[in-house]
Amino acid sequence: DGGITQSPKYLFRKEGQNVTLSCEQNLNHDAMYWYRQDPGQGLRLIYYSQIVNDFQKGDIAEGYSVSREKKESFPLTVTSAQKNPTAFYLCASKEAGRDRNQPQHFGDGTRLSIL
Amino acid sequence: AQKITQTQPGMFVQEKEAVTLDCTYDTSDPSYGLFWYKQPSSGEMIFLIYQGSYDQQNATEGRYSLNFQKARKSANLVISASQLGDSAMYFCAMREGSSSASKIIFGSGTRLSIRP
Repeated sequence: DGGITQSPKYLFRKEGQNVTLSCEQNLNHDAMYWYRQDPGQGLRLIYYSQIVNDFQKGDIAEGYSVSREKKESFPLTVTSAQKNPTAFYLCASKEAGRDRNQPQHFGDGTRLSIL
Repeated sequence: AQKITQTQPGMFVQEKEAVTLDCTYDTSDPSYGLFWYKQPSSGEMIFLIYQGSYDQQNATEGRYSLNFQKARKSANLVISASQLGDSAMYFCAMREGSSSASKIIFGSGTRLSIRP
């Protein structure tokens, strides 16, 4: 079945440590997105990528980094510069064709906590 | 700058009643798209309905309809005949620009609780 796989489901980070969240899709989508969700809050855009080897900052990119070396993969690194990383992280992908009404497909999320 | 506003943090509705969830947006781009998603307590995001800025008619999908008032920049979600399973967080989202791969941002959400 086609879909988006995020791993791990739960992740713990020590102070001063960088951690990487994985996001893989087999939907052949060009566009991929990373969002952060705090408890009871909406989704805030961290980074997005419209095509391989290109990505743009979202509204809260500070303390995060991404890469897009392959179409199917869009890993997110939470760096030690992100002082409050505890949140639910959602990855999404979207077809970048003529049908603009196509929704984003979301993964099941990764819950990141500070140790 | 674009912005999505959902002014109702929480709502309680009696089962079988209709409910309207508010969403206003702000963009200077003439081409944009509006999405509504449902997020149950499990955390998954479920797409409900889409409205394009050039669409002449309000979108409908089963019990969901979108009350699109372009001049007022509002895109309210209407759920008819609410069910217990409708209890969840609801998010309004906007894609700015004509590309389907453009930036998409979300509102802060409305928590809907359906009373039996």
